[in-house]
Amino acid sequence: EPEVTQTPSHQVTQMGQEVILRCVPISNHLYFYWYRQILGQKVEFLVSFYNNEISEKSEIFDDQFSVERPDGSNFTLKIRSTKLEDSAMYFCASSDRGRHEQFFGPGTRLTVL
Amino acid sequence: AQSVTQLGSHVSVSEGALVLLRCNYSSSVPPYLFWYVQYPNQGLQLLLKYTSAATLVKGINGFEAEFKKSETSFHLTKPSAHMSDAAEYFCAVSGDTGGFKTIFGAGTRLFVKA
Repeated sequence: EPEVTQTPSHQVTQMGQEVILRCVPISNHLYFYWYRQILGQKVEFLVSFYNNEISEKSEIFDDQFSVERPDGSNFTLKIRSTKLEDSAMYFCASSDRGRHEQFFGPGTRLTVL
Repeated sequence: AQSVTQLGSHVSVSEGALVLLRCNYSSSVPPYLFWYVQYPNQGLQLLLKYTSAATLVKGINGFEAEFKKSETSFHLTKPSAHMSDAAEYFCAVSGDTGGFKTIFGAGTRLFVKA
């Protein structure tokens, strides 16, 4: 069964460093998303992406964040200068139609020291 | 705007007892509703979804949920709890905006006592 994959599973970085989280969505899906979950809290929407541009973003998704689909298979989330409060689990998701089920990847745990 | 409220951050049941996890939603458009389960240090697994077809939705692991428009509810039930059901459960809604984001509730942690 097709699935969303994410790499790395765990990333440790120093405050102020740039990180890139990578996702491979399900191949025929058109809509892509990033969410994050701070430890012990709920899952929060960051950004949605369709037709090579951002469809919607939350207040969390400030200028420090960017997304890109550099080729036909990868979808990346970049954090330019990480802060301690960026430590969280980051989930990628994809869907074939906007309002339908989103398939989530296993997540990348980002730890900022 | 859409929102989800999960009543009870923690629910404890005995093995074999009924599981009832409550979820109420708010949506300006017909909602798509979901229940996800998250085991410790793992990702989100879809239990079941409501997408405007049957109001009683059956999911994996014996779970089901009923969409009640009049009550704006989508409660999750399972007739008989198993120890392996202990996890965090998230109710979610999507579809209100052009970006099709999914809005999650705060989650309910289910404890199952032997």
